[in-house]
Order: sequence, then C-alpha cells, then structure tokens
Amino acid sequence: SFELTQPPSVSVSPGQTASIMCSGDKLGNKYASWYQQKPGQSPILVIYQDTKRPSGIPERFSGSLSGNTATLTISGTQSVDEADYYCQAWASNSFVFGTGTKVTVL
Amino acid sequence: VQLVESGGGLVKPGGSLRLSCAASGFIFGDYSMNWVRQAPGKGLEWVSSISGGGAYIHYAESVKGRFTTSRDNAMNSLYLQMNTLSAEDTAFYYCARDVYSTGEALSRFDYWGQGTLVTVAS
Repeated sequence: SFELTQPPSVSVSPGQTASIMCSGDKLGNKYASWYQQKPGQSPILVIYQDTKRPSGIPERFSGSLSGNTATLTISGTQSVDEADYYCQAWASNSFVFGTGTKVTVL
Repeated sequence: VQLVESGGGLVKPGGSLRLSCAASGFIFGDYSMNWVRQAPGKGLEWVSSISGGGAYIHYAESVKGRFTTSRDNAMNSLYLQMNTLSAEDTAFYYCARDVYSTGEALSRFDYWGQGTLVTVAS
C-alpha cells in the first residue's frame, strides 16, 4: 500500500529555515498537499499541488517536489509556526497522510 | 464556509454510532466530502470520501465493511455510520471538504470541521 514517511520532529531557531520532507514510492507521479495543525485545532491547508499556496497563507511557506520526495519549507520561521505538519497525496481512490512532523521553534 | 460535526460520544466495544456533519456557506452538492480521524496524540488518518452527487464512495481498509458514509444534499449534511466499533476506532473525527466534486490527484481539503470525539471503551 502507498505510504508517506516524514521525520518525527524538526527543530529550528526563530528566523531560520525549516525543511520538512515527505517521501513515498512514486510520489513524483502524484501531487502533494501540506497541512498545519496546532494543538487543539483542526488542520489547515498550507500548500497544494506540490508548490501552490492558498490565499491567506504567508509567503514564508513554500513547497517543492524532487523525485519521490516533497518538501515543505518555512523561511524566516516564527514562533507561531510551531505545529504538526502533515503531507498528503491521493492514490487509487484513497487519500494518504504522511506520518507527521512536529516543528519546534527553539 | 462552515462544517460542524456532531454525534460523538462514549460507546462500548461492538457498538454503533452515527456521526453527522452540517455544512453551510457553499453549494454542498458541488463538493466531495471526506471523513478524517485522529486518535489522541496520533497522526491524521483518512477514513472515507463521498462524491458530490453521492455516487462514488470509498473507504480506508481499516473501516471497510464496518463504516458507511452517506450524504443528504437537500439537508446539506454528511453522515458516517460506524458499526462494530473497537478501541482502535477511538479518535477525533473530522469532516473535510475536497475542492473537487470527486476525489482525484489534484484534490486537497480546503475546509475542516472542528471534530467530534468518539471514545470506544467498556
């Protein structure tokens, strides 16, 4: 079955760049979305179709895809960006979420 | 756009529960809808999707044969009938809107409800 793997945690200093990777077999043939979830809140969409940013999402959030790895990059990370992040892709009439990455802003 | 889930609660193993999701602020029948769950302290797990017209319904293997998704476009409502529940089904259940009328490669979930907690315990 299709699986998406993410690192469990990423730590970043304020103002620095955080990169979160999401890898999966043949992910390069699909489209990745990214969601941010803060404690006690519902997820929100921050990146779709690998690189696109929904309206209202700060420009410091960007996405890329190389081979079978999608990457969410947070440039100039702020304390408000501390959250869990999940990648997602569609495969064979089902949706798959990545394992999730906790971003800590130290 | 607003999505409001209801129907969660405490149920015994082997029991049943029906969740609802009330939608407002958009033409409900134009969008595929999904159920996504999250066990406490765990990650997101897609559960089911239903196309805008209700003709196409898909389930995760973990719930296939036990859960049934339906919708009433006249009532702007999405439902999840859950049978033969076990402790592994304990989770927050979210309804989420797909940007398309049927799930596809470009799909993503642009609006989510606040979730409703289902606890399966004796």
